Amino acid sequence: QSALTQPPSASGSPGQSVTISCTGTSSDVGGHNYVSWYQQHPGKAPKLLIYEVSKRPSGVPDRFSGSKSGNTASLTVSGLQAEDEADYYCSSYAGSNNLVFGGGTKLTVL
Amino acid sequence: QVELVESGGGVVQPGRSLRLSCAASGFTFSSYGIHWVRQAPGKGLEWVAVISYDGSNKYYADSVKGRFTISRDISKNTLYLQMNSLRAEDTAVYYCARDLFSITMILVVPFHWGQGTLVTVSS
Repeated sequence: QSALTQPPSASGSPGQSVTISCTGTSSDVGGHNYVSWYQQHPGKAPKLLIYEVSKRPSGVPDRFSGSKSGNTASLTVSGLQAEDEADYYCSSYAGSNNLVFGGGTKLTVL
Repeated sequence: QVELVESGGGVVQPGRSLRLSCAASGFTFSSYGIHWVRQAPGKGLEWVAVISYDGSNKYYADSVKGRFTISRDISKNTLYLQMNSLRAEDTAVYYCARDLFSITMILVVPFHWGQGTLVTVSS
């Protein structure tokens, strides 16, 4: 159950787009379409942004989109806004009824 | 609205036990699987365990298997995490999170989260 690999940081200016990657293996990200993305502001609980690679729960702006290619999933935040500054985590089903998270990416809006 | 409220955290010595609770409201408790996810101070999220909607299936991370036990009391709309043989590395905020989908054994999307309860393992 090794953690998925995310870049520790990412940044962009307001209005720009930024993409955060999440790399796993064929046993997790590459082997299932159960990839999710979460946003976490300091001192708050995580919020689900994306599930099943690219689906958005009701209420999540379409500025947030997800995709997957091979063993790497990606979250793209378009039209960056100040309130998007937060930590972002990916998660994936890892087989054997286990779930694994990425190490997290701190997104800074410049 | 969906609400999950964790309790039971605190400071405990290594090797001792602690039981966390997660009181649920605003949804049909018996229809959803629920996860425990933890976050060590300043660190990332770590999935801990999940229990199916009917309590028939329980799964654990390798790091807690054999030490932690997840359970639920449908009559009280409450989820529990019994933590035994606690170690310093178990120090974290523990969140309970309801899964996105109902009446399913595919439990892979923690959706509604509580605010967490802090467990500190220290002598």
